Amino acid sequence: AQTVTQSQPEMSVQEAETVTLSCTYDTSENNYYLFWYKQPPSRQMILVIRQEAYKQQNATENRFSVNFQKAAKSFSLKISDSQLGDTAMYFCALRVGYALNFGKGTSLLVTP
Amino acid sequence: NAGVTQTPKFQVLKTGQSMTLQCAQDMNHEYMSWYRQDPGMGLRLIHYSVGAGITDQGEVPNGYNVSRSTTEDFPLRLLSAAPSQTSVYFCASSLWANSPLHFGNGTRLTVT
Repeated sequence: AQTVTQSQPEMSVQEAETVTLSCTYDTSENNYYLFWYKQPPSRQMILVIRQEAYKQQNATENRFSVNFQKAAKSFSLKISDSQLGDTAMYFCALRVGYALNFGKGTSLLVTP
Repeated sequence: NAGVTQTPKFQVLKTGQSMTLQCAQDMNHEYMSWYRQDPGMGLRLIHYSVGAGITDQGEVPNGYNVSRSTTEDFPLRLLSAAPSQTSVYFCASSLWANSPLHFGNGTRLTVT
């Protein structure tokens, strides 16, 4: 069975600052994929970034980057130059085969 | 290109009533799935399908029924609604098992 743990239920950051959201996971599989999804108040689920477990290089998408530590089973999300529009719930997710398991989410508030 | 379309957006049911949540995708995705989202619980997988005629149970399948007669459609049936099924329901699809999920906009269901 796969598990995903997000240990920070809520976080806040000031506009233009950098924030890191934590995620740890557990799986016995060697081939898997990790994702961060963003859910703004509109309820829409938006893919932020994706990481293949077989790739050592950390994924980056504009202001969003990850720190993927495979041995430690850690997958943190760094948001640089935070913007008010980044205010949302952020979910870490682990996909092994067809199953996609989500963490419980971190609520991020970006303040002016 | 509509992506993943869910209907209705909102629904109120009385205990014991039945209903079907509709989900359709126009991206020719083989994989489709249903999640429920409850406060503090993240998203939990109800049922999923890897192609027409093939369905399987996820983490929380009890009280729900699915079928997949076409590649495009994956309806979720509540046979006898219970207050514990009050939740937000998301349909999601992907091209392959290791691809990112595309989500519908969700259905907020209240069972009284």
